[in-house]
Amino acid sequence: GAGVSQSPSNKVTEKGKDVELRCDPISGHTALYWYRQSLGQGLEFLIYFQGNSAPDKSGLPSDRFSAERTGGSVSTLTIQRTQQEDSAVYLCASSKDRTPVYNEQFFGPGTRLTVL
Amino acid sequence: AQTVTQSQPEMSVQEAETVTLSCTYDTSESDYYLFWYKQPPSRQMILVIRQEAYKQQNATENRFSVNFQKAAKSFSLKISDSQLGDAAMYFCASSRSQGGSEKLVFGKGTKLTVNP
Repeated sequence: GAGVSQSPSNKVTEKGKDVELRCDPISGHTALYWYRQSLGQGLEFLIYFQGNSAPDKSGLPSDRFSAERTGGSVSTLTIQRTQQEDSAVYLCASSKDRTPVYNEQFFGPGTRLTVL
Repeated sequence: AQTVTQSQPEMSVQEAETVTLSCTYDTSESDYYLFWYKQPPSRQMILVIRQEAYKQQNATENRFSVNFQKAAKSFSLKISDSQLGDAAMYFCASSRSQGGSEKLVFGKGTKLTVNP
């Protein structure tokens, strides 16, 4: 079946502009994660959605970052007034929720954001 | 809080030889998972192997095996009979094993080169 998809694959924007990044999780997966991978760094957790529960936003680096998940499926990560330090690859992952059984996270190919 | 440290930014191995990638971690969780992920140039994160902390037996997946030293908080990955397709970034990661968000905490990665 289809994996996690993300769009766009690459995005170049000017400093100060807003951007939206999209994630389509695997059908039936109730958990969705956003991570950021800056150059030469590991992945950094941003936000987590699980069903109808309040999202875990503890990883968002500033109030310029926000995310929503509509209808428990597609998610959009929005970065307002982009800065050059926002340049990174943004990765989305989804998993089933079979707590307490282990839930593997399946990753999308990411969106490479470049802020000029 | 969890932290993951990979002390080898780059490693190289000859095709068909064995290589070991190092990882140390710290966590306040009583139960947790440890992972090794592979990220080829396509950016897609691929789960290589998973270890549940309560299991003493080291996990193995074909040519991939781990050396899990819980007291030392060490979790190294051994790749046997290295193949050209093993060349990639390898990330060590940890997560809590129950109770809500299973967000992954990653190390900064090790770039593995496989020489023919």
